[in-house]
Amino acid sequence: NAGVTQTPKFQVLKTGQSMTLQCAQDMNHNSMYWYRQDPGMGLRLIYYSASEGTTDKGEVPNGYNVSRLNKREFSLRLESAAPSQTSVYFCASIFASNQPQHFGDGTRLSIL
Amino acid sequence: RKEVEQDPGPFNVPEGATVAFNCTYSNSASQSFFWYRQDCRKEPKLLMSVYSSGNEDGRFTAQLNRASQYISLLIRDSKLSDSATYLCAVNLGNQFYFGTGTSLTVIP
Repeated sequence: NAGVTQTPKFQVLKTGQSMTLQCAQDMNHNSMYWYRQDPGMGLRLIYYSASEGTTDKGEVPNGYNVSRLNKREFSLRLESAAPSQTSVYFCASIFASNQPQHFGDGTRLSIL
Repeated sequence: RKEVEQDPGPFNVPEGATVAFNCTYSNSASQSFFWYRQDCRKEPKLLMSVYSSGNEDGRFTAQLNRASQYISLLIRDSKLSDSATYLCAVNLGNQFYFGTGTSLTVIP
């Protein structure tokens, strides 16, 4: 009963490097979300996918791209990492919009 | 203006105390409301949904006041294990908005 699985758990990058954060859910949920969490800022939405085949920008999309690969998987890509993108990244999913979100256990990303 | 405002605390209370957190939201069209618990460096976990009539789960009671646009969480008989950060969340359309969290420490 995995729920929402994020990989990797930890990553250190150098400025300018690229990487993709992976997220997969096995709950047959329709919508998936990427958040970043910084001290004192709470959870901020980067991108979301309301359904397979659609993606939309959230509050802080600059510097990120996403792909909803299929119903299960939603990836977040940093094309050219910057120190300001050092954060904890959470993926979440829901079945329907009035349901609570289920979160993965996060990716801790440091950019030097 | 932020969609959701939450007092960051910290709240330091003795074991057995009752503590209440409030959260205000700015958009009257907000549809669903939730309280999450987040332990240090872990993911948020759903504590309870908040229903219009109010709802209770053991020592936890959640209330929604649509007229004043706030939700509340009451914790009775606090336990050491209740120490965590509590996040409120509001659903509007396909998006969710989170408060910055309220830190609670229960002291022996």
